[in-house]
Amino acid sequence: AQKVTQAQTEISVVEKEDVTLDCVYETRDTTYYLFWYKQPPSGELVFLIRRNSFDEQNEISGRYSWNFQKSTSSFNFTITASQVVDSAVYFCALSAHTGTASKLTFGTGTRLQVTL
Amino acid sequence: EAQVTQNPRYLITVTGKKLTVTCSQNMNHEYMSWYRQDPGLGLRQIYYSMNVEVTDKGDVPEGYKVSRKEKRNFPLILESPSPNQTSLYFCASSLGTGASYEQYFGPGTRLTVT
Repeated sequence: AQKVTQAQTEISVVEKEDVTLDCVYETRDTTYYLFWYKQPPSGELVFLIRRNSFDEQNEISGRYSWNFQKSTSSFNFTITASQVVDSAVYFCALSAHTGTASKLTFGTGTRLQVTL
Repeated sequence: EAQVTQNPRYLITVTGKKLTVTCSQNMNHEYMSWYRQDPGLGLRQIYYSMNVEVTDKGDVPEGYKVSRKEKRNFPLILESPSPNQTSLYFCASSLGTGASYEQYFGPGTRLTVT
């Protein structure tokens, strides 16, 4: 069985602070993919990044960066110099091929509130 | 524009009154799926479909039905809705059925069952 844990239910920061959202996963598969999705107050789910289990290189995209560490089964997401527009619920998810189809398992989400 | 559409976006209904939430994608995607989102539980998969006429249960299928008669459409049917099915529902699709494919989500349908 696969599982994704986002222990931080809610985080509040002041604009321009850096913030890291934690994600820990469990899977028995050796090939799997990790995702982050953003859900802004408008409600839609926006894909942010995908990482495969064989690529542990960190990734940076503007103010966003992701740190993937297989040794600790973690895929953490850092926002540098946070902005009010970053306020959203962020979901970490794991996808692996189980049986006849792949399965995407979500964490419970972290609500990020960025205030002025 | 490539997208997943859902209708209705908001629905208030009463216990036992059958309803259907439609989902359509215009990207010729093979894989489609339904999720429900509840506070503190994240998104949980209800049903998925790997292709036309191929559907299977997800983690929380009880009380729901689906069908995939055409590649683009994947309606979610609640034959006899109950209050515990009050939730935010998302339809999603992906190009392929493999684990690497990102899923594209519809805008969501907020369902209230009284």
